[in-house]
Amino acid sequence: LAKTTQPISMDSYEGQEVNITCSHNNIATNDYITWYQQFPSQGPRFIIQGYKTKVTNEVASLFIPADRKSSTLSLPRVSLSDTAVYYCLVGAVNTGGFKTIFGAGTRLFVKA
Amino acid sequence: DVKVTQSSRYLVKRTGEKVFLECVQDMDHENMFWYRQDPGLGLRLIYFSYDVKMKEKGDIPEGYSVSREKKERFSLILESASTNQTSMYLCASSSPGHPAAFFGQGTRLTVV
Repeated sequence: LAKTTQPISMDSYEGQEVNITCSHNNIATNDYITWYQQFPSQGPRFIIQGYKTKVTNEVASLFIPADRKSSTLSLPRVSLSDTAVYYCLVGAVNTGGFKTIFGAGTRLFVKA
Repeated sequence: DVKVTQSSRYLVKRTGEKVFLECVQDMDHENMFWYRQDPGLGLRLIYFSYDVKMKEKGDIPEGYSVSREKKERFSLILESASTNQTSMYLCASSSPGHPAAFFGQGTRLTVV
């Protein structure tokens, strides 16, 4: 199972773009990259998923280089409500990507 | 909206008790998962099920068992609760080929 490495924490200010990078050096051919957001005392919430290149939705963008050994979650113009823990997961989509390892995540703190 | 419902938000049980944590999803998902979440350790997979009556061990199955008699319901059983099983327990469900898994709100279990 592919393991991921993310920064433990990041600070930002309201209105800034935030980029969180995840390393997954042993990603397998059929693995997808999925990002989740978690607020205290709640279950994780799906943000975005991709396989290669760039994926964008109404919440975030996901950049994946050609070698797929890393990925970057980009949050445009963050607000205080984006303060949360962000998890990067790598796994096969046929199990929802969740027969994988959840790491400790990245704690993002957005300041006014 | 997809809904994953866990039977309790908070539980307090005594050491040695048999504990049942129930999870129900309303989206006809094939896959269901049980995780525990502890500070600094992220989410760790206990068991998952990809069909009725089917189950597979995750990363930390010791001390736990599961039951999936109906597609929508996945139960986690602590055969004899111990204090080191005090944790936040999260249930999730997903469908093969769908990008997201959906999490419940979590059950915070305290074993005294």
